[in-house]
Amino acid sequence: DQQVKQNSPSLSVQEGRISILNCDYTNSMFDYFLWYKKYPAEGPTFLISISSIKDKNEDGRFTVFLNKSAKHLSLHIVPSQPGDSAVYFCAASGGSNYKLTFGKGTLLTVNP
Amino acid sequence: GAGVSQSPSNKVTEKGKDVELRCDPISGHTALYWYRQSLGQGLEFLIYFQGNSAPDKSGLPSDRFSAERTGGSVSTLTIQRTQQEDSAVYLCASSLVGTSNQPQHFGDGTRLSIL
Repeated sequence: DQQVKQNSPSLSVQEGRISILNCDYTNSMFDYFLWYKKYPAEGPTFLISISSIKDKNEDGRFTVFLNKSAKHLSLHIVPSQPGDSAVYFCAASGGSNYKLTFGKGTLLTVNP
Repeated sequence: GAGVSQSPSNKVTEKGKDVELRCDPISGHTALYWYRQSLGQGLEFLIYFQGNSAPDKSGLPSDRFSAERTGGSVSTLTIQRTQQEDSAVYLCASSLVGTSNQPQHFGDGTRLSIL
């Protein structure tokens, strides 16, 4: 039973445009959500997080939106750059459970 | 400052051999986690350390897997009598404390291949 789902295995966008990566979750105990970026042969790099008491968190070109009623979060990258091309993982944790539950990732390709 | 360091970066071994994977967390981080990523899968939790104790070993797939942490710092993950299904990238992460609202910071992993 996959508790964190990223339904798009890949996404391709033009440089300068907006990239929107989506993530759905099923466990209502999750209260902290994170996005990680991963290049080949490297470990995941923490990008941005959001607590369930917020519905938006922004850091430079990256914004995460949380819709608790829909159990859905999204990562917006504006403007997208070729260096953003990587696999993006959504992760969640909650309650007394510190362990992260990950989605399977979305490969983002930003074309020059 | 140094990030999470893992060694070796790659390990190829024959089925049935034992392997040891090492993780050096970020200095001052009390919480340490092991995950693995098998081909085409997301990251799967293995074990969590708070200090030297492991309150959550629920993700270890079999009793061939064990881990320890000494001095509240370095951790080793040991796989005994390796099987081909153990082939994966083993990732270590650390966080300041072991609570659900702390981001975990990952090393680059050990790519384990069992022949």
